[in-house]
Amino acid sequence: DIVLTQTPLSLSVTPGQPASISCKSSQSLVDSDGKTHLYWYLQKPGQTPHLLIYAVSNRFSGVPDRFSGSGSGTDFTLKISRVEAEDVGVYYCLQGIQLPTFGGGTKVEI
Amino acid sequence: QVQLQQSGPGLVKPSQTLSLTCAISGDSVSSISGAWNWIRQSPSRGLEWLGRTYYRSRWYNDYAASVKGRMTINPDTSKNQFSLQLRSVTPEDTAVYYCARDHYSSVWYRNDYWGQGTLVTVSS
Repeated sequence: DIVLTQTPLSLSVTPGQPASISCKSSQSLVDSDGKTHLYWYLQKPGQTPHLLIYAVSNRFSGVPDRFSGSGSGTDFTLKISRVEAEDVGVYYCLQGIQLPTFGGGTKVEI
Repeated sequence: QVQLQQSGPGLVKPSQTLSLTCAISGDSVSSISGAWNWIRQSPSRGLEWLGRTYYRSRWYNDYAASVKGRMTINPDTSKNQFSLQLRSVTPEDTAVYYCARDHYSSVWYRNDYWGQGTLVTVSS
């Protein structure tokens, strides 16, 4: 199985300040067509997880542009340019190049 | 708008079978651009992908190693839904279970829509 390691485990941020979360994979997430299968999700308190970013850097429908994803191969980053109160929750990465696995999550709090 | 509606019991006795259903609206379980997942979440295991079913001229199923041999996912085209059966459950199978959709449109959108979640407790 591919293991995804997220850091940090938790992050305390001041509103208006940036935040960054790392996701490192035990194997490359690039397929034979050159596509990279890395996704980011946010689970707000008491809610179901929802998709933020697909294919490393593409924002899903309705996701604010303060969220951005980057990276390649085995190292990926989710950035929030200016954290807002509604961004609190746990962020997860997911790999989809093999049978899916999630990272352990990063809790973001204000 | 895609909606996934889960149903099933919230309490299962040890050694019995956990059964959940996910009813789909706004898409088809037989879609050749889709896949239908079961995911669970517990404090000890975090988010854990369990398995999926999808149709590509015939039906395919994939299962996580942690549940392979105990789990079956069945599509039901007549009701446009899919189900999960997890056999021989133990208290370690206590979790919130989710169904979720994968959709392909030039790229894969993994788990773009989720069910509401079902807390299943395994206890006598």
